[in-house]
Amino acid sequence: GQQLNQSPQSMFIQEGEDVSMNCTSSSIFNTWLWYKQDPGEGPVLLIALYKAGELTSNGRLTAQFGITRKDSFLNISASIPSDVGIYFCAGQLGGSQGNLIFGKGTKLSVKP
Amino acid sequence: GAGVSQTPSNKVTEKGKYVELRCDPISGHTALYWYRQSLGQGPEFLIYFQGTGAADDSGLPNDRFFAVRPEGSVSTLKIQRTERGDSAVYLCASSPDGSYGYTFGSGTRLTVV
Repeated sequence: GQQLNQSPQSMFIQEGEDVSMNCTSSSIFNTWLWYKQDPGEGPVLLIALYKAGELTSNGRLTAQFGITRKDSFLNISASIPSDVGIYFCAGQLGGSQGNLIFGKGTKLSVKP
Repeated sequence: GAGVSQTPSNKVTEKGKYVELRCDPISGHTALYWYRQSLGQGPEFLIYFQGTGAADDSGLPNDRFFAVRPEGSVSTLKIQRTERGDSAVYLCASSPDGSYGYTFGSGTRLTVV
């Protein structure tokens, strides 16, 4: 089936650092979305991207829909402790609006 | 209700048994989705309802899985003859109109022993 390659798999952050993660696909997507999931909870939508080249911000978060429509990145600026969690990218191919394909996630943890 | 409610939050069942997982979407949301999330993975699409009808059930892994939404609100995911590989968190989400403003529930953690 379709796959999204999300990297890095995990990373450690120190408060105040900027964080960057990305997703790539072998297929063209019509929509890219970024979610955050805390333990024991469902994913929460952070940013939705609908057009190639689109750059969208939500507070300290910025995401871009790649021009090739096969990739997207998410940046978090000036990270804070509550940013820890698992971040997922998700994409929608043409066709079913309800069917999202998720990456495997990037786990953000606090540096010991 | 204020959010998407899923019951039970945890379910342990024996291999071969039948289970039902319930989802109460946000009131007025016409679109409802079921996803399955295995440990260390992202959610995997199962089925999408628009109103009472399944608009896309291409993610259901086999005929042991079935979902209904008879009145266009509450949905039940039914799994027959459960297998250990069915163990996962089953997530339900709803949105007002099929757009990507999904709100996910906290999921039902199913463990098949």
